[in-house]
Amino acid sequence: GAGVSQSPSNKVTEKGKDVELRCDPISGHTALYWYRQSLGQGLEFLIYFQGNSAPDKSGLPSDRFSAERTGGSVSTLTIQRTQQEDSAVYLCASSRNRPGAYEQYFGPGTRLTVT
Amino acid sequence: TQLLEQSPQFLSIQEGENLTVYCNSSSVFSSLQWYRQEPGEGPVLLVTVVTGGEVKKLKRLTFQFGDARKDSSLHITAAQPGDTGLYLCAGARRSRANNLFFGTGTRLTVIP
Repeated sequence: GAGVSQSPSNKVTEKGKDVELRCDPISGHTALYWYRQSLGQGLEFLIYFQGNSAPDKSGLPSDRFSAERTGGSVSTLTIQRTQQEDSAVYLCASSRNRPGAYEQYFGPGTRLTVT
Repeated sequence: TQLLEQSPQFLSIQEGENLTVYCNSSSVFSSLQWYRQEPGEGPVLLVTVVTGGEVKKLKRLTFQFGDARKDSSLHITAAQPGDTGLYLCAGARRSRANNLFFGTGTRLTVIP
């Protein structure tokens, strides 16, 4: 079956421009996560969607970052007025929502470079 | 503040050697997972441990969850070049079981 897909795979943008990153989760997975990874280090949690519940936005670093999930499936992460410190790999993951099944399945990521 | 600290941060060894990676925290986790990430790809789950003191073996990899569920270790026997990658531990808290807190990562290089 298809895994988590993300687009674009690479994005180069100028400082101050807005960018949109897309994530298609595994079909049937109700939970969707966005993470940021800098310089091949650990993952920084950004936002979490679960079904129709209000998203957990506690990891968003500033109000320039927002995300939405339409129809409980595809998600878009938007970064407004990009800054150089936003350069990183943005990873999306999805998982089922049942006890004991918290394994997250990751997409390949979008490498964002802000020049 | 990082909830989960991994050590070492970088490790370069010769093929055939053994190694251990540590994942430590002052917090208790309901479960802990280990992922491996290769360049240009997302992390891939290796194992989930849920019981304090639990030991799981996957071929040459042995995972252990501490008795107090605050720490974990990954031991690789007779490392191979295919083991090269970034190893990440991730813990789930009972109050937010579907959210994972990722460790700082250990970058392993196995030299042929």
